[in-house]
Amino acid sequence: GQSLEQPSEVTAVEGAIVQINCTYQTSGFYGLSWYQQHDGGAPTFLSYNALDGLEETGRFSSFLSRSDSYGYLLLQELQMKDSASYFCAAHMFSGGYNKLIFGAGTRLAVHP
Amino acid sequence: EAGVAQSPRYKIIEKRQSVAFWCNPISGHATLYWYQQILGQGPKLLIQFQNNGVVDDSQLPKDRFSAERLKGVDSTLKIQPAKLEDSAVYLCASSFPGFGLASSGANVLTFGAGSRLTVL
Repeated sequence: GQSLEQPSEVTAVEGAIVQINCTYQTSGFYGLSWYQQHDGGAPTFLSYNALDGLEETGRFSSFLSRSDSYGYLLLQELQMKDSASYFCAAHMFSGGYNKLIFGAGTRLAVHP
Repeated sequence: EAGVAQSPRYKIIEKRQSVAFWCNPISGHATLYWYQQILGQGPKLLIQFQNNGVVDDSQLPKDRFSAERLKGVDSTLKIQPAKLEDSAVYLCASSFPGFGLASSGANVLTFGAGSRLTVL
């Protein structure tokens, strides 16, 4: 079946760096995305990797290794506002259409 | 550009009652998704439309859930009758179709604020 695994919780302090890992098992895989969701809010898009390697967007970077079915989100210079849930999501080509399935999410708590 | 609009934001009903949620996607987004998010879990895809056709409804409990997207724009999701386990946030999202770069808008989902359902 299709599945994604990521840690349920991560804790870090302001100014630190944190890495959230994601492993996936899907058929028809063609890319990995990351979404951020604050409590009570909607998921918002952070990044998308279709090719192996690192994509950098400001303080956030995302990495993909297709051969290892693995990716991670790297958050640098953590701020209190980064406290949120982070979801990895696998893009799949299925039945002639693209489809997106989400992991269970990693809750990040940033402390002073 | 305007975002994805959803209503109502909150709904409380008794089990066995019915409820309907409405979604208006971003103009020009051909693909529309309904996700169910139970507290503490990731969004689970219920149904995906491409224009006004269904392309995936494999996880939609069809005995109680139904959805339509008339004229390839607005969509409604209905639950009848509701069960306790349907308590969740129902998220509508839309995107451009295709497989391009994220910078092109393809593969990027824009979510609405969600409709929080409580079934008592």
